[in-house]
Amino acid sequence: DTEVTQTPKHLVMGMTNKKSLKCEQHMGHRAMYWYKQKAKKPPELMFVYSYEKLSINESVPSRFSPECPNSSLLNLHLHALQPEDSALYLCASSQNRDRSEKLFFGSGTQLSVL
Amino acid sequence: AQSVTQPDIHITVSEGASLELRCNYSYGATPYLFWYVQSPGQGLQLLLKYFSGDTLVQGIKGFEAEFKRSQSSFNLRKPSVHWSDAAEYFCAVGAGNKLTFGGGTRVLVKP
Repeated sequence: DTEVTQTPKHLVMGMTNKKSLKCEQHMGHRAMYWYKQKAKKPPELMFVYSYEKLSINESVPSRFSPECPNSSLLNLHLHALQPEDSALYLCASSQNRDRSEKLFFGSGTQLSVL
Repeated sequence: AQSVTQPDIHITVSEGASLELRCNYSYGATPYLFWYVQSPGQGLQLLLKYFSGDTLVQGIKGFEAEFKRSQSSFNLRKPSVHWSDAAEYFCAVGAGNKLTFGGGTRVLVKP
């Protein structure tokens, strides 16, 4: 299994809603990542988890709250988002945090904030 | 800090013609370099990567890239483009667990 699975594929939410994005991998990878990609732009790193601990937070607003409950799962909790947060949210994993040579990306969650 | 520049925002190529996508990077040490492809609304798929050794790297789907340290470049090539190659292509430089992407090049394939 060489897949990173993200759910849901599409999400529409209001600015007062609370929702969560989920990411799962069963490759035994110990580093997991969240990227944000605006339309026609490259992906931008948000968070990195290494061995279930947050190792990088790229100054992301607190309305985005990551969680890594175990080595296979990565969540992104969303609360009080703004319309400008609408984007494709990509999850990725790699063997460990020092090995960026093989990032496996999921297909993403297309988020629309109304 | 590392950075990546892809000078061409769009490239249109005829099916069967050759393709070359340009990538220039800035990084203080020996870079890890990557090319990814992304179809609309999809995640990124790794085409190829360079860490060290042979400067001509072969990837999937018939793509290759050449690392030129003197020019700080890592250009992607394909001898004969197929309609299914229409997509967005991202060059990236890696440092530790952080990838920095270029702005991307959208490839359109004419029949």
